[in-house]
Amino acid sequence: AAGVIQSPRHLIKEKRETATLKCYPIPRHDTVYWYQQGPGQDPQFLISFYEKMQSDKGSIPDRFSAQQFSDYHSELNMSSLELGDSALYFCASSLMGHRPSNTEAFFGQGTRLTVV
Amino acid sequence: AQSVTQPDIHITVSEGASLELRCNYSYGATPYLFWYVQSPGQGLQLLLKYFSGDTLVQGIKGFEAEFKRSQSSFNLRKPSVHWSDAAEYFCAVAGGFKTIFGAGTRLFVKA
Repeated sequence: AAGVIQSPRHLIKEKRETATLKCYPIPRHDTVYWYQQGPGQDPQFLISFYEKMQSDKGSIPDRFSAQQFSDYHSELNMSSLELGDSALYFCASSLMGHRPSNTEAFFGQGTRLTVV
Repeated sequence: AQSVTQPDIHITVSEGASLELRCNYSYGATPYLFWYVQSPGQGLQLLLKYFSGDTLVQGIKGFEAEFKRSQSSFNLRKPSVHWSDAAEYFCAVAGGFKTIFGAGTRLFVKA
């Protein structure tokens, strides 16, 4: 079965550079979520989109932005990167159109961002 | 506000022994609860989930969890732990457009 695809899997950037992470949800899923997991930390919710509109916002820095496109894929844009942005970034998707039975989010394998 | 508490930062059990990982949640409505497992540097793998119905849910790899509304708990159990179970375990609650994770419990398995 198709899963959530994230690209790239690994990314190394220098401080003050920008990075773009991509997420391709499971086909027909209408909701995507972004999470940040620092070393030894639990995943922290950043932001989510439902039907291409922002649906909820968590602890996402102002330097980050995200959007969901017409084909439902999503991109997380990160600017002015800092060393503390080094983390594993997860994307997840779900089908919210038939709540409550579909509130399970399916996670991708993550993108490991290293800022040097 | 939703929250998840995993009281144990790490637990060590002997291979073959039973395991119970604790999870308490706070949520205003009927919670949707999950347990995920994560090996170092890897993604999150869903072990099991509870939406409604039978309060004892079975998952993959021989894991089960019991939902107790009166105690706001969703503890994860396994009758006999294998060395390959060593990993980080996250309890999570979903509501609205996000999933909230607990801080995780790292399981160590000794021979």
